[in-house]
Amino acid sequence: NAGVMQNPRHLVRRRGQEARLRCSPMKGHSHVYWYRQLPEEGLKFMVYLQKENIIDESGMPKERFSAEFPKEGPSILRIQQVVRGDSAAYFCASSLQGGNQPQHFGDGTRLSIL
Amino acid sequence: AQSVTQLGSHVSVSEGALVLLRCNYSSSVPPYLFWYVQYPNQGLQLLLKYTSAATLVKGINGFEAEFKKSETSFHLTKPSAHMSDAAEYFCAVIRGEKAGTALIFGKGTTLSVSS
Repeated sequence: NAGVMQNPRHLVRRRGQEARLRCSPMKGHSHVYWYRQLPEEGLKFMVYLQKENIIDESGMPKERFSAEFPKEGPSILRIQQVVRGDSAAYFCASSLQGGNQPQHFGDGTRLSIL
Repeated sequence: AQSVTQLGSHVSVSEGALVLLRCNYSSSVPPYLFWYVQYPNQGLQLLLKYTSAATLVKGINGFEAEFKKSETSFHLTKPSAHMSDAAEYFCAVIRGEKAGTALIFGKGTTLSVSS
């Protein structure tokens, strides 16, 4: 499968735990974007990364959330000390280049907080 | 700042009928516009994109969209609906006055198709 791969597809955490969401971009893509989809709110941009660099994190909550895209391996979205309000679908997208290139989406990680 | 507005959160059509999903944009610069489709429990699939080359854009699955600058619209159409078209559809615009970075999405329109 040459598409954007996200894992896990479903993740359940208790309040206060940490959640790690992984994203492997399409082959050859070095631009990664994370979005969050909340019921009734639609998709909201969180962060844009290139290899080893955060380009735009203007959509990230100021606390508890972080993202990385190391030289080797997948991009990671990390949520520390999760709260009920973090329950959502988190989508990763990748593009061959930045700019107006189409972004290709993974199937998402559904995060549920107990 | 760029934004998109999708008119109608829910559209219902009969199989074989015309599909029209509305999207209006706001942009201070020529916009780059996209339509995506999302099936239940899946990610978003790109239907088509407008990048100023042609005002009528043809996409996958028989969908097309027309960019109308005078109306600031980018409505999605399909001449004949199929049951498999039932899904949620999102209009999106590239954010920012310089190309790059995030997509800004509309709130989505759920399309229902009845037999």
